[in-house]
Amino acid sequence: DAKTTQPNSMESNEEEPVHLPCNHSTISGTDYIHWYRQLPSQGPEYVIHGLTSNVNNRMASLAIAEDRKSSTLILHRATLRDAAVYYCILRAPPSGTYKYIFGTGTRLKVLA
Amino acid sequence: NAGVTQTPKFRVLKTGQSMTLLCAQDMNHEYMYWYRQDPGMGLRLIHYSVGEGTTAKGEVPDGYNVSRLKKQNFLLGLESAAPSQTSVYFCASSYRSGPGSNQPQHFGDGTRLSIL
Repeated sequence: DAKTTQPNSMESNEEEPVHLPCNHSTISGTDYIHWYRQLPSQGPEYVIHGLTSNVNNRMASLAIAEDRKSSTLILHRATLRDAAVYYCILRAPPSGTYKYIFGTGTRLKVLA
Repeated sequence: NAGVTQTPKFRVLKTGQSMTLLCAQDMNHEYMYWYRQDPGMGLRLIHYSVGEGTTAKGEVPDGYNVSRLKKQNFLLGLESAAPSQTSVYFCASSYRSGPGSNQPQHFGDGTRLSIL
């Protein structure tokens, strides 16, 4: 299974943009890039996913490098409620596996 | 909109006792999953199910059994609890992923299990 590498922790000021990086140098051509976040004492929550093109939704944007070996989750204006652990996960199509491989993620601290 | 509901939320067991964790989803999802999360770590898949009456092993299945008798429910059983099974257990569900699509997983809020 392809692995991801994320910084252990990051800090951001409230209402500023946050760029959370993820390296996945062994990604295969069919792996989707998923991002989840986990707020304290809660289960993980889906944020966004993509394959090759940049993606936007109401929560965040996902910027994927042209060679797909890295990606960045962008929170446009961090709020205190965005303080969480953010997981970058690669997921193969269902023909091979149904599982996510969770790493240790990036703990985001948002400063008021 | 309940989503994924896990019961109980907390439980303390003695070594050797048995118990069943219940996961219920009201989204008509085909797939269901059980994960465990240990301190400072990401989630690890225990077992999963791709439909009613079917189950399969994940990364860390030893010491656990599962059943999916109804589409909306996925049960995780510990036959003889051990201290190493102290963890937070998360259930998740998702729609079937067709070719080229990736349905996100929806998680419950977890069951905190301590085994003494």
